[in-house]
Amino acid sequence: GNSVTQMEGPVTLSEEAFLTINCTYTATGYPSLFWYVQYPGEGLQLLLKATKADDKGSNKGFEATYRKETTSFHLEKGSVQVSDSAVYFCAFMDTGRRALTFGSGTRLQVQP
Amino acid sequence: GAGVSQTPSNKVTEKGKYVELRCDPISGHTALYWYRQSLGQGPEFLIYFQGTGAADDSGLPNDRFFAVRPEGSVSTLKIQRTERGDSAVYLCASSQVGGGTDTQYFGPGTRLTVL
Repeated sequence: GNSVTQMEGPVTLSEEAFLTINCTYTATGYPSLFWYVQYPGEGLQLLLKATKADDKGSNKGFEATYRKETTSFHLEKGSVQVSDSAVYFCAFMDTGRRALTFGSGTRLQVQP
Repeated sequence: GAGVSQTPSNKVTEKGKYVELRCDPISGHTALYWYRQSLGQGPEFLIYFQGTGAADDSGLPNDRFFAVRPEGSVSTLKIQRTERGDSAVYLCASSQVGGGTDTQYFGPGTRLTVL
């Protein structure tokens, strides 16, 4: 069935380190792909999205590229900050549906 | 402007009781979604409304769960005969139209604890 697999956390990095959080998906159609972020004490927020193959979503220094051939949507940031500490969720929306399917989340801890 | 609001923020109930959870979407948003998030997991889809009607209720786990949106704005998620396994954070989201590229804006959630 449809699912999202993302790397388990927590991921602990020092400030200014490079970040990659892996995400792969299994879907029946041609989904739209999303990264959501949940900062401590706050609700889920959309971080970035990509709606077709080879699209790159970007926001706040984060990037992810829709790779249809590998069914992946890995999240990257060149230099993380303490304020990036949060839980990151990969998600997709399958063709013809409006429901988001989420991964289990990856907690990122950035140390000064 | 105001975001999605949910009440109550916390609800503690006893096994077997009935509960109602309320969601106020962003003004003007025609699409409304309910999700459930268990500890350490990502949100799981429950139901999607387009206007007043449930366009997709495939995520409701059983017939103890149902939701309404009688005037196309506020929605109520209703759980009958609650069980300990229903304990979770219930999230509501809304979007402008419900198109595939619409951003879903999430509320802060209602934490339900069934004792």
